[in-house]
Amino acid sequence: EAGVTQFPSHSVIEKGQTVTLRCDPISGHDNLYWYRRVMGKEIKFLLHFVKESKQDESGMPNNRFLAERTGGTYSTLKVQPAELEDSGVYFCASSPTGGSNYNEQFFGPGTRLTVL
Amino acid sequence: AQSVTQLDSHVSVSEGTPVLLRCNYSSSYSPSLFWYVQHPNKGLQLLLKYTSAATLVKGINGFEAEFKKSETSFHLTKPSAHMSDAAEYFCVVNSGYALNFGKGTSLLVTP
Repeated sequence: EAGVTQFPSHSVIEKGQTVTLRCDPISGHDNLYWYRRVMGKEIKFLLHFVKESKQDESGMPNNRFLAERTGGTYSTLKVQPAELEDSGVYFCASSPTGGSNYNEQFFGPGTRLTVL
Repeated sequence: AQSVTQLDSHVSVSEGTPVLLRCNYSSSYSPSLFWYVQHPNKGLQLLLKYTSAATLVKGINGFEAEFKKSETSFHLTKPSAHMSDAAEYFCVVNSGYALNFGKGTSLLVTP
């Protein structure tokens, strides 16, 4: 079974540019999550999708960040325009539907974003 | 709010000696607690989880953790470190569906 995949693995952009990160969850997982880790800080929750619906986007830092999950499969996270403080590693995770909300979240390898 | 504090940012052990990674939690209700591990250039992998069943939880690769409510702790242990255990370890508590991570502990294993 393929795991969670993320693309690209690394991205280097200049301040003010736009970047789009992609996440492909495990097939059949309705729950999809985005997290990020900025330098020296904890990994922080950004948002949670159930299928194509945003269930919780309380962790999104500001309106420069836009997440979508059209069709309830893969998800994209767009940063526009990027700022220096957006540099960090962006993780995607997925989990199956059903059971408790303590289901294991399966994480991808992350996308390392560097904003110059 | 649910949170965790990892008490050590770096831990160094010799191969074959015990591992202890410390974690304290803060929760307004009975929490679910997890330990995740991240090896270099890999994704986060679940080591073990506590969800109010047995207080001693066994995970993969010989790791285990004990939930101690009186001490609000969930320390990760392993009797004998292996070189392949070198990685970053995260103590995690759930807040609904979201996960709240500690800052991580880097484990170094020396020959």
